[in-house]
Amino acid sequence: DVKVTQSSRYLVKRTGEKVFLECVQDMDHENMFWYRQDPGLGLRLIYFSYDVKMKEKGDIPEGYSVSREKKERFSLILESASTNQTSMYLCASSERQGAGNEQYFGPGTRLTVT
Amino acid sequence: AQSVSQHNHHVILSEAASLELGCNYSYGGTVNLFWYVQYPGQHLQLLLKYFSGDPLVKGIKGFEAEFIKSKFSFNLRKPSVQWSDTAEYFCAVSSNTGKLIFGQGTTLQVKP
Repeated sequence: DVKVTQSSRYLVKRTGEKVFLECVQDMDHENMFWYRQDPGLGLRLIYFSYDVKMKEKGDIPEGYSVSREKKERFSLILESASTNQTSMYLCASSERQGAGNEQYFGPGTRLTVT
Repeated sequence: AQSVSQHNHHVILSEAASLELGCNYSYGGTVNLFWYVQYPGQHLQLLLKYFSGDPLVKGIKGFEAEFIKSKFSFNLRKPSVQWSDTAEYFCAVSSNTGKLIFGQGTTLQVKP
């Protein structure tokens, strides 16, 4: 059974703080993804990674960066948090690159920036 | 550019009613289509997927979806909903690189 875990379920940070969101998967998946989920907008891809130390921008990368030093771990970094980054953040992984691979999601981190 | 559009944002049904949630996509290549569901307080999980072959796909919990290529549609159906089907439903299309493009989501509320 694939398991994707995220470091926090709820997080409250102040404007300007540096924020780290951690994601770990236990199935040796090559691909990992970070999304944000907002009401009425669905899920929007922030960044993804096909391999260790590789990263690619998604649809809304501005204000975010990522790190993938180990295959199982994919971190999302908010360099200077702003109130418009208040959202639900979802991490996902999939087995390998390719169109048909199911993505497995973590429970999400609800981030509030005050 | 790829896009996915879900027609209904909020649907309210009584138990035993039939369900159909619309999904249309825009993508020029070979498509792989997905429906994901997010029950209250739970992870997003796969409901069903279409890659090729029979355009009528059956998923978990009695859900099915039909791929109609000519209409660029992948509508989700269930003949008789239950209160436990209350959730948010997302349609998604996959590109060749494995990225998923999601629709806006549809919140389904089933009244007991």
